[in-house]
Amino acid sequence: DSGVTQTPKHLITATGQRVTLRCSPRSGDLSVYWYQQSLDQGLQFLIHYYNGEERAKGNILERFSAQQFPDLHSELNLSSLELGDSALYFCASSVEGGGQPQHFGDGTRLSIL
Amino acid sequence: GESVGLHLPTLSVQEGDNSIINCAYSNSASDYFIWYKQESGKGPQFIIDIRSNMDKRQGQRVTVLLNKTVKHLSLQIAATQPGDSAVYFCAENSGGSNYKLTFGKGTLLTVNP
Repeated sequence: DSGVTQTPKHLITATGQRVTLRCSPRSGDLSVYWYQQSLDQGLQFLIHYYNGEERAKGNILERFSAQQFPDLHSELNLSSLELGDSALYFCASSVEGGGQPQHFGDGTRLSIL
Repeated sequence: GESVGLHLPTLSVQEGDNSIINCAYSNSASDYFIWYKQESGKGPQFIIDIRSNMDKRQGQRVTVLLNKTVKHLSLQIAATQPGDSAVYFCAENSGGSNYKLTFGKGTLLTVNP
């Protein structure tokens, strides 16, 4: 158990809809990262938050947004969903902003019908 | 763009043998590298990391070697066990102080009893 909690584990929805994925980092970790894992693209970095502030962006679509709250949990919002958004979405956390291992949750599996 | 690639998508070994998983990276400015293990239905699990000012680091049954001259990373697993069967990813920090991990495509390790 990595200590990173993601909910829900599975999510099934339709095209055009909006969903919110939730992540609770390990106790004491200030940084939260979001990744997308798909068969054709592998693990892709989306965004990094440190202590409530955005630190880095990867290949995150404009339809996607994230935030980190004062209690350090984070949410990833996906809107105007398309079939191609079906993937595993992982959250990871680390103590600070860099040079340390990121610890991953078990992901949310998103299926778009 | 920068990428981290794995030369061997699959590796099959006998229980008790040593395993070596290789990884090539393209960003010579990367300063931090991590190996992860991912089992089916779970998130990536941290195995071992290494900073660019080192060329070798050992853990329990695992050793990571870094060759910056040829931009190559390897993970050695001693006395491989059936429980080591999983997909292994290397990742590099390509974002400098902004800590952005770029993952390789992964190698599937199968350990035969």
